[in-house]
Amino acid sequence: AQSVTQLDSQVPVFEEAPVELRCNYSSSVSVYLFWYVQYPNQGLQLLLKYLSGSTLVESINGFEAEFNKSQTSFHLRKPSVHISDTAEYFCAVSDLTRGSYIPTFGRGTSLIVHP
Amino acid sequence: DTAVSQTPKYLVTQMGNDKSIKCEQNLGHDTMYWYKQDSKKFLKIMFSYNNKELIINETVPNRFSPKSPDKAHLNLHINSLELGDSAVYFCASSQLAGGTGANVLTFGAGSRLTVL
Repeated sequence: AQSVTQLDSQVPVFEEAPVELRCNYSSSVSVYLFWYVQYPNQGLQLLLKYLSGSTLVESINGFEAEFNKSQTSFHLRKPSVHISDTAEYFCAVSDLTRGSYIPTFGRGTSLIVHP
Repeated sequence: DTAVSQTPKYLVTQMGNDKSIKCEQNLGHDTMYWYKQDSKKFLKIMFSYNNKELIINETVPNRFSPKSPDKAHLNLHINSLELGDSAVYFCASSQLAGGTGANVLTFGAGSRLTVL
């Protein structure tokens, strides 16, 4: 079965510093990749997705993620974080070779932005 | 206008009771899901319905019974509640038919169940 590993359970960072949240998945063939964000006491919201084409995808609030097929990674980055970015971030993968459209989620990374 | 709405938001009950959580989506999606998020934030798929038909039923105790009266609603009924059922339950929906194949889920705000 597909598995998703988020290497850091918690990432503390100061405001305006850069951040990288790491995500690796187990399959290297045809996949769709997603990052979801969960703000406190809310449901998950799609942050960005990779389907095909350019390996670098961006969100509207300054996050970006790069699909690296050889390393089976989809790390999330932001050059300068804000307090409001404090949230739980989930990486998810749909493994198309198994015909599975149900995304498998990682265990989440808690991003804590300090003033 | 909330896209995926769940009720109740909070539910506190005693062991052995039966409870239901309701979910409605107004996005016109054809597929709905229930996920369970445990205390460590791990998200696990429980059920998936496509056009009112059950298509995914992960290893979930049969005390959990989903019901989909129409494709806009997916309710979760839980019998004989146990302490280990305490979690946040998320409903989600997506459009599979005619889509790009990328299954983007829209989540509700969650229902926090506490079993005492």
